[in-house]
Amino acid sequence: AQSVSQHNHHVILSEAASLELGCNYSYGGTVNLFWYVQYPGQHLQLLLKYFSGDPLVKGIKGFEAEFIKSKFSFNLRKPSVQWSDTAEYFCAVTAYGNNRLAFGKGNQVVVIP
Amino acid sequence: DVKVTQSSRYLVKRTGEKVFLECVQDMDHENMFWYRQDPGLGLRLIYFSYDVKMKEKGDIPEGYSVSREKKERFSLILESASTNQTSMYLCASVPTGGVGNEKLFFGSGTQLSVL
Repeated sequence: AQSVSQHNHHVILSEAASLELGCNYSYGGTVNLFWYVQYPGQHLQLLLKYFSGDPLVKGIKGFEAEFIKSKFSFNLRKPSVQWSDTAEYFCAVTAYGNNRLAFGKGNQVVVIP
Repeated sequence: DVKVTQSSRYLVKRTGEKVFLECVQDMDHENMFWYRQDPGLGLRLIYFSYDVKMKEKGDIPEGYSVSREKKERFSLILESASTNQTSMYLCASVPTGGVGNEKLFFGSGTQLSVL
């Protein structure tokens, strides 16, 4: 079964700083990769996803993620964060053809104005 | 707009009680899921269903069961609630393409406290 690792559970940074959240998965076959975000008091929602093609994917609100197959990684980045990016971020992976989505433990990101 | 509705936002139950958590989606989705979310542990899959009356165990099914009698409704049942089942429970649904091809739509969650 696939599993996901996210490091640095709590991240605190100032507005305009750059953000990078690491995500590593363990599965040797073809995978589909996702980042979900949960803003305070809101539902989980999809930030971006990778299925195939260009390994650099762009999502909503200026976020992007890069799939590096050789490193089993799918790191999330944003060049300049805003206070409104305060949220919990979850990386998720599913094996191709599988209907199970495995989530990481999440990164709690706090952006200080 | 797409909607996944969980019947209760907050629930307090006593140890040993039978607990029902209800989830209804209005999108005619085939696939429905129950996760629990705990601080520092992320989301863990309890059960999922890919059709009416069909169910599969997730990663942590012990102490839970589910029921899917109608396409739009997926119920999570705690047969005898225990304190270690205190958690946030999230319901989600996704159409035919499944989690690999489509995004999950989540409900707002039920915060269950077992005393």
